Amino acid sequence: DAKTTQPPSMDCAEGRAANLPCNHSTISGNEYVYWYRQIHSQGPQYIIHGLKNNETNEMASLIITEDRKSSTLILPHATLRDTAVYYCIVRLYPYSGNTPLVFGKGTRLSVIA
Amino acid sequence: DTAVSQTPKYLVTQMGNDKSIKCEQNLGHDTMYWYKQDSKKFLKIMFSYNNKELIINETVPNRFSPKSPDKAHLNLHINSLELGDSAVYFCASSITLAGGSETQYFGPGTRLLVL
Repeated sequence: DAKTTQPPSMDCAEGRAANLPCNHSTISGNEYVYWYRQIHSQGPQYIIHGLKNNETNEMASLIITEDRKSSTLILPHATLRDTAVYYCIVRLYPYSGNTPLVFGKGTRLSVIA
Repeated sequence: DTAVSQTPKYLVTQMGNDKSIKCEQNLGHDTMYWYKQDSKKFLKIMFSYNNKELIINETVPNRFSPKSPDKAHLNLHINSLELGDSAVYFCASSITLAGGSETQYFGPGTRLLVL
């Protein structure tokens, strides 16, 4: 079962920042927070991940609270192509072998022109 | 330059038939996966292979049999197809990076419809 809670849907105006929250109150010390998204009819796409520090890449920023019980994915300037289902996933660092992703229901982000 | 490819993209077949879905990755990854996304859009892991060896086999009917001829390929064979097998099947691959964590790369999916 997924260890995260996300709002089922959100809207965002094109060009504005999209802030997607995620609660993971039972996260343990060696678990990372990952974000993937699934654009309609496509395979899931990796966005970003982090352990406890804030992270930024060319796609997004990830803000993790100090107690690590929640995080926010930020798309700084949302475009129509960012409309997708966004999944927040908590998973162990794969010390031995690679572990599968456990997907929850995600947040359906609709970017509106 | 498709990283993870699947064939076929669409598969329509009758109940009771046997079919295969193929997956290939050209990323040099050592782990491959099969996920199933049902009509309610839930994505769930089915199998995971590391260096051609099965390491994860979730509760999946034994009509589903994965086969990994080499590290770059993971095929899924389904016997005696049932209506409930209709879904989108995604292949994925990954490699563990030095320093920790890894990301998974997904194929475009195979849409299976059993009539």
